[in-house]
Amino acid sequence: QVQLQESGPGLVKPSGTLSLTCAVSGGSISSSNWWSWIRQPPGKGLEWIGEIYHSGSTNYNPSLKSRVTISVDKSKNQFSLKLSSVTAADTAVYYCAIHLTSSSTSWFDPWGQGTLVTVSS
Amino acid sequence: DIQMTQSPSSLSASVGDRVTITCRASQSISSYLNWYQQKPGKAPKLLIYAASSLQSGVPSRFSGSGSGTDFTLTISSLQPEDFATYYCQQSYSTPRTFGQGTRLEIK
Repeated sequence: QVQLQESGPGLVKPSGTLSLTCAVSGGSISSSNWWSWIRQPPGKGLEWIGEIYHSGSTNYNPSLKSRVTISVDKSKNQFSLKLSSVTAADTAVYYCAIHLTSSSTSWFDPWGQGTLVTVSS
Repeated sequence: DIQMTQSPSSLSASVGDRVTITCRASQSISSYLNWYQQKPGKAPKLLIYAASSLQSGVPSRFSGSGSGTDFTLTISSLQPEDFATYYCQQSYSTPRTFGQGTRLEIK
């Protein structure tokens, strides 16, 4: 069974760049899935950030598109998130997840455990 | 963007109760609707996909229905482990969007 694990700094300074990595185990990142990032501010709901296919194709949330870059490293079986020009509003638990597709529909499963990133000086 | 609105935002119920949570989309999304359960400090867990398909390993007391713009998640007989927050999510178009969540609490 595929498992995902997020890693990266838990504290980022305002105006800096948030960088996270999601390590994939139990499966190949070159499989026919989209690999997604989703975030959740403390006490709030879920926001889809974007996704990447192993070919490098990406989809981003328009609300974040100007600041987001998602990349894939097939040699390390992992994918990464960079979010630039961060502010306190970017403080959240960041999850990576598989965006499974089947018969034109799709869903997120499984998810990583999540990692809290705080934006503060 | 497609807006997803859940009701109620919070709900108090007792073990053994039948509970229904509603999710409404701002436009038709056919059956492209998923439900997740999230417990404090944990990642969301997929319960229902494609509006009514039960994810493997999820108890049969959970069920989903609906199409178009109106959907429901029903728990037929609440168990202690079901007290959590529930989210709907549309997979009809990007950006993928979630409802604001329904917090299910013990009465």
